[in-house]
Amino acid sequence: NAGVTQTPKFQVLKTGQSMTLQCAQDMNHNSMYWYRQDPGMGLRLIYYSASEGTTDKGEVPNGYNVSRLNKREFSLRLESAAPSQTSVYFCGRGLAPSDTQYFGPGTRLTVL
Amino acid sequence: QKEVEQNSGPLSVPEGAIASLNCTYSDRGSQSFFWYRQYSGKSPELIMSIYSNGDKEDGRFTAQLNKASQYVSLLIRDSQPSDSATYLCAVNTAGNTGKLIFGQGTTLQVKP
Repeated sequence: NAGVTQTPKFQVLKTGQSMTLQCAQDMNHNSMYWYRQDPGMGLRLIYYSASEGTTDKGEVPNGYNVSRLNKREFSLRLESAAPSQTSVYFCGRGLAPSDTQYFGPGTRLTVL
Repeated sequence: QKEVEQNSGPLSVPEGAIASLNCTYSDRGSQSFFWYRQYSGKSPELIMSIYSNGDKEDGRFTAQLNKASQYVSLLIRDSQPSDSATYLCAVNTAGNTGKLIFGQGTTLQVKP
């Protein structure tokens, strides 16, 4: 799992429900990322955290919030889930923003 | 809008042949380039990173970068059926912010 764990692996939500996707890394890397991948597409960045205590928006941040709880953990929250948020979510880590990113196994989310 | 373009394929090659995967990008200031392999239902895994113009070889894989023409390619020599996967090109935005822009991926099929 490239030193990145994600929970849960699968989740089904109803429209309007909220949930938090959890991510933890065991490599002591500074940077962490949340991406989503829709069928037939590459990954799109939702939010990232270049270092502990900082977060910034990526390409598709609307409808999401993040928390960099500490250096190890970076969570993604959906406050009011919508069917358009049905996707596979990947959490990533990197030593620094310029470095290679490594991804966890993903969370497959379906919003009905 | 910064973009990374790949031919979605599928690219079909016989076992033992050379597979050539191509990627173009729009952000002229990009400095870091990555190739990931993704098996169906799995997370992307890093194959190669390249930062300078020219070729970089790692086993059966060679990444080629031409910043003037804004393209990066991946050659797979002696292709094996186990190489059948989707290959994602990813480009770090100018300033190495960590905001990777992914192409949609090229599906490679290696036929025995």
